[in-house]
Amino acid sequence: GENVEQHPSTLSVQEGDSAVIKCTYSDSASNYFPWYKQELGKRPQLIIDIRSNVGEKKDQRIAVTLNKTAKHFSLHITETQPEDSAVYFCAARGGADGLTFGKGTHLIIQP
Amino acid sequence: GAVVSQHPSRVICKSGTSVKIECRSLDFQATTMFWYRQFPKQSLMLMATSNEGSKATYEQGVEKDKFLINHASLTLSTLTVTSAHPEDSSFYICSARIGTSQFFGPGTRLTVL
Repeated sequence: GENVEQHPSTLSVQEGDSAVIKCTYSDSASNYFPWYKQELGKRPQLIIDIRSNVGEKKDQRIAVTLNKTAKHFSLHITETQPEDSAVYFCAARGGADGLTFGKGTHLIIQP
Repeated sequence: GAVVSQHPSRVICKSGTSVKIECRSLDFQATTMFWYRQFPKQSLMLMATSNEGSKATYEQGVEKDKFLINHASLTLSTLTVTSAHPEDSSFYICSARIGTSQFFGPGTRLTVL
């Protein structure tokens, strides 16, 4: 089955700086890669996703890049703000299966 | 995004009892729903895939006789934790697909005493 590795487990950045979270996946058949933001005790919220036929996608301060050859994808958050503090999960899916999640990154935005 | 609801949001039960959790898609029809479990400070683990009108598909290591899933309509899937034990205490979250995107319910916090 699919295996998703996520790094780092904790990331602390100064407000206004950029944050990058990286994930690798094992199954070359995976074709969909979403990123979720989860605040304590709440549901994961989809913030951006990318499909395997695209190399990069951007939505305001958030961008995701995908390297299919290397089987890794990254989340980039620019101009970080205090409300960006949360746990971020990457995930991967092939076909109609459910998502396989990374272990999560606790992002801390220092004022 | 699409709206997915869960009920109850929080449940406390005695060991040995059964608990039913409902997952509803409110503004769309979902032929496929997914059930995940999340332990404190850990990631979400897929338990099973719920298919409307057919049997659920369980992930390796998940007991199908303990976690009963029913997907009787296009907007409702239920997860029943049978004979619950303290080690079943967790955050159970369902999700539903629209196209390739998945949207999550608010989760159910289960505490088994």
